[in-house]
Amino acid sequence: AQSVAQPEDQVNVAEGNPLTVKCTYSVSGNPYLFWYVQYPNRGLQFLLKYITGDNLVKGSYGFEAEFNKSQTSFHLKKPSALVSDSALYFCAVRLPDRGSYQLTFGKGTKLSVIP
Amino acid sequence: ETGVTQTPRHLVMGMTNKKSLKCEQHLGHNAMYWYKQSAKKPLELMFVYSLEERVENNSVPSRFSPECPNSSHLFLHLHTLQPEDSALYLCASSQEEGSNQPQHFGDGTRLSIL
Repeated sequence: AQSVAQPEDQVNVAEGNPLTVKCTYSVSGNPYLFWYVQYPNRGLQFLLKYITGDNLVKGSYGFEAEFNKSQTSFHLKKPSALVSDSALYFCAVRLPDRGSYQLTFGKGTKLSVIP
Repeated sequence: ETGVTQTPRHLVMGMTNKKSLKCEQHLGHNAMYWYKQSAKKPLELMFVYSLEERVENNSVPSRFSPECPNSSHLFLHLHTLQPEDSALYLCASSQEEGSNQPQHFGDGTRLSIL
């Protein structure tokens, strides 16, 4: 079975400071990893994904994530936080098996960027 | 994002009512999904359709009945729901040529059961 853990329910960061939202996963094999963001009263928006190759993945809105196989982590980062980044962030994992449709999400981390 | 459209955005219904949620995707994708999002819980995958065939049904009660008449439309028919079914129901779509494609979500239907 595959699982995703987001250890922090909430992360607070001052505007302009770097931010990190943590994600660890548990799965057999080499997973595909995703980050999504959800703004109030909206659906999830895709930010970035790791499939293979370079461990540092760049995505939308200046976000990036670092894949660490030995620590089974895929933390989301941004060098300088904006107030508009305040939202709910979800990490997700999926097995690279054709016919496997299960995208397993973490419980989400609420990011608050303080002006 | 207007690629996946869900209607209605809000729905209040009694436990004896019958209603349907609608999802339409304009992205040319060949897979569609229903998820349930409840407070303080991870997203729960309910149903998956690929090429208009149901390929996953994650132990969802029979009071939820999906329908996928074509690759662009997905419905979730509701009847005799329970208060614990109150949640945000999200539809998503993806292009299933390998499982590395992201899913694109609609803005959801907020369902309240009286």
